[in-house]
Amino acid sequence: GAVVSQHPSRVICKSGTSVKIECRSLDFQATTMFWYRQFPKKSLMLMATSNEGSKATYEQGVEKDKFLINHASLTLSTLTVTSAHPEDSSFYICSARDLYGGLSYEQYFGPGTRLTVT
Amino acid sequence: SQKIEQNSEALNIQEGKTATLTCNYTNYSPAYLQWYRQDPGRGPVFLLLIRENEKEKRKERLKVTFDTTLKQSLFHITASQPADSATYLCALGLGSGYNKLIFGAGTRLAVHP
Repeated sequence: GAVVSQHPSRVICKSGTSVKIECRSLDFQATTMFWYRQFPKKSLMLMATSNEGSKATYEQGVEKDKFLINHASLTLSTLTVTSAHPEDSSFYICSARDLYGGLSYEQYFGPGTRLTVT
Repeated sequence: SQKIEQNSEALNIQEGKTATLTCNYTNYSPAYLQWYRQDPGRGPVFLLLIRENEKEKRKERLKVTFDTTLKQSLFHITASQPADSATYLCALGLGSGYNKLIFGAGTRLAVHP
């Protein structure tokens, strides 16, 4: 149980184009999903917290117009990198908390999406 | 400034020994602390959570301690196996509703046969 999927697993795009990454909770409902990015041998950096049906909360320094987040249902959140540039190349990982998790603070992570902008 | 520090150098140990990884933090007051395992090119996998009022937690061959005075957590893997080789991340639980996780950079563990 508690599986989170991401699609695509890898994507290469040209500079200036937009890329959409999907995050799905497969066997549970998630009120809250999180988006992280990770550079090689670095820690995961929280980009934004996404709550179903409301606007995402972005961390300081993360451009909300560049990284568009939509949490349209209890099982799906999307991250769109708009007008991508080579410096946006990174490993993007989502996670989700179970709606019925109660006091459980456990987050379930997706397998990640490797974005390369050429 | 706020920091989470994990030993950036890889930890190399012999199979069967106990691996001990350290997580130190400054200027944070976490409600809980989590440990994750991450394999190359994959997302983190949850291992253990310990709350601020707990001193120790165990799960099979894993043990976590949490000292809020020292601002330190220790993560132990007993009877280590080559399959335990991975990067281990600690994460502090913060923020409203304690939703927010702040991660350390991780320590790479290599268990040799």
